[in-house]
Parts: sequence; C-alpha cells; structure tokens
Amino acid sequence: EVQLVESGGALVQPGGSLRLSCAASGFTFINYALSWVRQAPGKGLEWVSGINGIGDATYYADSVKGRFTISRDNSKNTVRLQMNSLRVEDTAVYYCARWGGRWGQGTLVTVSS
Amino acid sequence: DIQMTQSPSTLSASVGDRVTITCRASQSIGTWLAWYQQKPGKAPKLLIYEASTLDSGVPSRFSGSGSGTEFTLTISSLQPDEFATYYCQQYNNYPGTFGQGTNVEIK
Repeated sequence: EVQLVESGGALVQPGGSLRLSCAASGFTFINYALSWVRQAPGKGLEWVSGINGIGDATYYADSVKGRFTISRDNSKNTVRLQMNSLRVEDTAVYYCARWGGRWGQGTLVTVSS
Repeated sequence: DIQMTQSPSTLSASVGDRVTITCRASQSIGTWLAWYQQKPGKAPKLLIYEASTLDSGVPSRFSGSGSGTEFTLTISSLQPDEFATYYCQQYNNYPGTFGQGTNVEIK
C-alpha cells in the first residue's frame, strides 16, 4: 500500500529555517514525481513545490521561490523540503503527495515570534 | 498558470441525494485531473485520478468525467460520512493548481 509519512514540522521564528522530510513506501519511488502541498489554517490547498522522479527537475510556487528547496534521495525513498527565511504566512500543514496521487497525513509548521 | 474554477463553493444536500460538482480549467489539461475529499482536521483523500479512475477502495457511487477544460465529480447517493469538502487539482503541468473547494453540507 502506498504510504507517505511526513516529519519535521515545528514552531519556528520568522526568518528561521526548517527541513521537512517525507518517507515513502509501497511503490517504486523513482517512477513518481512528488510534490509538497500546504494548507493554512481555515484555507484551501496550495501547491508549493514539485520534483520529478530522477530529481533533476524542480518546480516552485512563486510564493516560495528562492526560499524553499525540494530534493529527493531515491536510495532512501525520501523527499525533503528545505525552508529558509520563513514568514508568518508560511504557517500551514504541509503534505507530501504523489503527483496526481495519494498524500501523507501532514506535518504542522508554525511560524511565529 | 492554469486556473481551476470549481463550483458551487457550497452545496446543501440530504442523505441519498445525487450530488454534482464541476471543475473548469482555464486551458486544456487532457484528463490530468484528480478529485480529493477532505474532512475537518484530516488530510485530503484521493478519490479519482486521470479524471475518471477511482482510487482503490473508493465506493462506486463516486464517479468522475470530463476532459479538456470541463470536469465533474458525481456522488450518486450521498452518504452521512460524505459531508466534507471536495477539491479538484490539475496535474497536467506545474504548478499543480487546485480548485477553491466545494463544501458539501447537510441540508
């Protein structure tokens, strides 16, 4: 069964950094593009970043471009999101998702002083 | 970026009702569309991918149709557990934009 398990969410001050991880299982990892999607409290879904299967193409929402970096380790079935220069408006639950497929349960990132 | 317009934003229905939600893309996305169900405090659950393929374990009362720019999600007979928010997402290209969601509430 497809499983995606996020970790790394925390409370961080504005301007700080955080790294999220997503451990995948139940499918051939390298065959799938993956994304990070977030949901601010009481709001809809916002696609944040994506990476192709072999990891040589990455994509970002304008709202995070230059601050967030997505990467993957196909030997460990893991995808990561490095988040720098965090802002209050980055506060959200962050989900790891197969492109057009299933999602993990999410990890909460709170940016506050 | 491709814009996804979902309607209605709120839908009041009763158990047993047939429910239809529409999603329109600002340009053709083929059949690269997914539908998700989200309940409060939970992660979105994949219902349908490639516009009309049910994910494993999803009841057959859910169906999806459409291609190009217009898509529909239909629940043939709404069950008590299905009062939730539904989202469409295009994954034809990046960014993978979402509709604004449809809240299906009890009438």
